Amino acid sequence: KAGVTQTPRYLIKTRGQQVTLSCSPISGHRSVSWYQQTPGQGLQFLFEYFSETQRNKGNFPGRFSGRQFSNSRSEMNVSTLELGDSALYLCASSSTGGQFFGPGTRLTVL
Amino acid sequence: AQSVTQLGSHVSVSEGALVLLRCNYSSSVPPYLFWYVQYPNQGLQLLLKYTTGATLVKGINGFEAEFKKSETSFHLTKPSAHMSDAAEYFCAVSELNPGNTGKLIFGQGTTLQVKP
Repeated sequence: KAGVTQTPRYLIKTRGQQVTLSCSPISGHRSVSWYQQTPGQGLQFLFEYFSETQRNKGNFPGRFSGRQFSNSRSEMNVSTLELGDSALYLCASSSTGGQFFGPGTRLTVL
Repeated sequence: AQSVTQLGSHVSVSEGALVLLRCNYSSSVPPYLFWYVQYPNQGLQLLLKYTTGATLVKGINGFEAEFKKSETSFHLTKPSAHMSDAAEYFCAVSELNPGNTGKLIFGQGTTLQVKP
């Protein structure tokens, strides 16, 4: 089976812009979770989608949003970007065997 | 609320020596526990997981971990370190609840350095 794929791998944006990141889970996985990784805060849970519904949400402002499509692919959106949003954004798809992560999208906000 | 504490942000061992990375968790419900490894500029790779059953869990690349409920610990070990083990290691916990297994709480990570 193909692994979790994330696009794009790298992004550079400026403050105030918005960005959309995409994640394709492992075939057959219905749960997709998103995490933000920064040197200062480590790995933090953003949200989880299961069967097109948000099932869990972390402590992030409303500028961070997501959605899941009927084929389980997921997108996350960050509006009004701030410098502090610079991070590696990781997507993971879940089965009973655990969570499997993609390579991440490195977002740099200038 | 769940939390994870990894003792030691940086561990250095010699090639061939024992690797021991420490993880303690806090959870008000039965936990799922995980160890992940991250190489530079890559995502996280699952090393091993504990859900229920046998408390000694074997994973990939010769790693294993033991769930000790009384000590709320899930330490990661490998008998003999290899240069390729140099990476960052993360311990994580989630609830033993199908509705919440998609939410992992991670420790701060431990960087393992392997010296020749």
